[in-house]
Amino acid sequence: QVQLQESGPGLVKPSETLSLTCTVSDDSISSYFWSWIRQPAGKGLEWIGRISKSGSTNYNPSLKSRVTMSVDTSKNVFSLNLSSLTAADTAVYYCAREGPSSRPLDYWGQGTLVTVSS
Amino acid sequence: DIQMTQSPSSLSASVGDRVTITCRASQSISTYLIWYQQKPGKVPKLLIYAASSLQSGVPSRFSGSGSGTDFTLTISSLQVEDFATYYCQQSYSTPRTFGQGTRVEIK
Repeated sequence: QVQLQESGPGLVKPSETLSLTCTVSDDSISSYFWSWIRQPAGKGLEWIGRISKSGSTNYNPSLKSRVTMSVDTSKNVFSLNLSSLTAADTAVYYCAREGPSSRPLDYWGQGTLVTVSS
Repeated sequence: DIQMTQSPSSLSASVGDRVTITCRASQSISTYLIWYQQKPGKVPKLLIYAASSLQSGVPSRFSGSGSGTDFTLTISSLQVEDFATYYCQQSYSTPRTFGQGTRVEIK
């Protein structure tokens, strides 16, 4: 069973850049697309974007100017950078695999809470 | 972007009730519709993909239907462990978009 684990700072200052990494337990990172999703407290799910093994990306237009994703298949990790943070970026950030057959998010990390505050 | 609209936003039901949640897409998405269940403080769990395919390990009381723009998630006999928030999501195009969620509460 594939396992995903997010890592990164829990507290980031306004205007700074958030950097999160997701470690995938096996070499399935060489297949599929890999996604980031976030969820502010008490609110719904927001898709941030996805990246393929080759580094091809799709971003949410609402965040596109601030988002960068990368992948390192040799280390089984993919990463999210989100710049120019404000309090509105405070949320639980999840990484997830976009699986086969209609592309559901079938495996998720446990999520990491990121708070933007000075 | 494709907008996903769920209804109702919340509902109260009793154990044993049949529950139906609706999800409407702003344009046709064929059967690229996914349902997730999320309990408080927990990670979303995949229930149904391709509009009607049950994810492995998910109880058969959950079912999905629909195509095009209109979809439903049905719980045939609500159990205690089913009280949660349910989200639909389209995987037809990027950006992927979610419905706003439907909270299923105990009556």
